[in-house]
Amino acid sequence: DAGVIQSPRHEVTEMGQEVTLRCKPISGHDYLFWYRQTMMRGLELLIYFNNNVPIDDSGMPEDRFSAKMPNASFSTLKIQPSEPRDSAVYFCASSPLWGWNEQYFGPGTRLTVT
Amino acid sequence: DAKTTQPPSMDCAEGRAANLPCNHSTISGNEYVYWYRQIHSQGPQYIIHGLKNNETNEMASLIITEDRKSSTLILPHATLRDTAVYYCIVRPTGNDYKLSFGAGTTVTVRA
Repeated sequence: DAGVIQSPRHEVTEMGQEVTLRCKPISGHDYLFWYRQTMMRGLELLIYFNNNVPIDDSGMPEDRFSAKMPNASFSTLKIQPSEPRDSAVYFCASSPLWGWNEQYFGPGTRLTVT
Repeated sequence: DAKTTQPPSMDCAEGRAANLPCNHSTISGNEYVYWYRQIHSQGPQYIIHGLKNNETNEMASLIITEDRKSSTLILPHATLRDTAVYYCIVRPTGNDYKLSFGAGTTVTVRA
């Protein structure tokens, strides 16, 4: 398996623009997680899905953030409108049902909002 | 999560074993010890986890003391590619899915 795939790897955008981050989890994994990592706040869980259904989005910072998982092999995290304080590395991770504590992370998307 | 304490940094010679300590004196009976690492500019990587028995996989070994108040992650033959920040996490099994990393130990493997 290729592992968790994220795109784009780097994104630079201007404040106010819409940003969409994409994730393809490992095939067969029932859980998908979106994290954000910054130097100041460390690693933060934003939202997670189980079998394509959002279970807990309490970590989503504001209504500007939204996430979808239309099928088992694809998820998006959208920020609209983006702000400079959203600059961070966004990670997607997936986990198999039987060992869902073992989360496998993608390479991340480094987002810079100017 | 129960609090863990790790040394901020350590060096290791390439080819030698790297022993990474972690203290978790307030660990509860249903909490597992997990280790992740993060290589620069990459996503976190799961390494190993255990409850009370020692565990070994293709990446590392995990030694947990009998009282479970501390553990040691062992990288048997460290390579330059093992240079990373290593995180020791204590978490209950069940529906606690939130990974939260502390400062971790920055391991530098030197040739």
